[in-house]
Amino acid sequence: DAGITQSPRHKVTETGTPVTLRCHQTENHRYMYWYRQDPGHGLRLIHYSYGVKDTDKGEVSDGYSVSRSKTEDFLLTLESATSSQTSVYFCAISESEGRTLHFGNGTRLTVT
Amino acid sequence: KQEVTQIPAALSVPEGENLVLNCSFTDSAIYNLQWFRQDPGKGLTSLLLIQSSQREQTSGRLNASLDKSSGRSTLYIAASQPGDSATYLCAVGGQAGTALIFGKGTTLSVSS
Repeated sequence: DAGITQSPRHKVTETGTPVTLRCHQTENHRYMYWYRQDPGHGLRLIHYSYGVKDTDKGEVSDGYSVSRSKTEDFLLTLESATSSQTSVYFCAISESEGRTLHFGNGTRLTVT
Repeated sequence: KQEVTQIPAALSVPEGENLVLNCSFTDSAIYNLQWFRQDPGKGLTSLLLIQSSQREQTSGRLNASLDKSSGRSTLYIAASQPGDSATYLCAVGGQAGTALIFGKGTTLSVSS
């Protein structure tokens, strides 16, 4: 299995609070992604990174920001959490464009 | 906008049966297509990656085919086993540098 660790695995937070999710990889892969998975919507891309300090928006980026200061870490921040951001968040990595995508085990976030 | 559809949403078969899962996409200008497996509460595991220039890929009892012109891919599972029970997702990659677009998956149940 690809070395991808997501933390925390579960989190419950209140509306309006900031939340940061962390993805750590040990594969030295260039590309890192944040997806959210919701019933009826499937997996949707939030943000991705193609190198240190190089990031871009995905399909559902509103309300989220990301940072990548080191190859191995990709952070997803919800500046002010809302109930609509209750979801399962997955980090994924790939060695290069067009290569296999490897996923972490996810973070289940509940915003009350 | 690329759309990916997987039919059926759920499928139940007895052990030992050969089966086919379907994936269709609306824009044939794809870069690649990937099939994933997701077990409950887990992340996605990559099964097969087909580049746009390829027609099929095989791994063990799994065979994935790609027909770009008709916008279809199939995942063939031979001699199904209860351990194959999971949700299977296909994802389509557009031109290099764009994110994967996921279908909503087919949930497979194999009974012993």
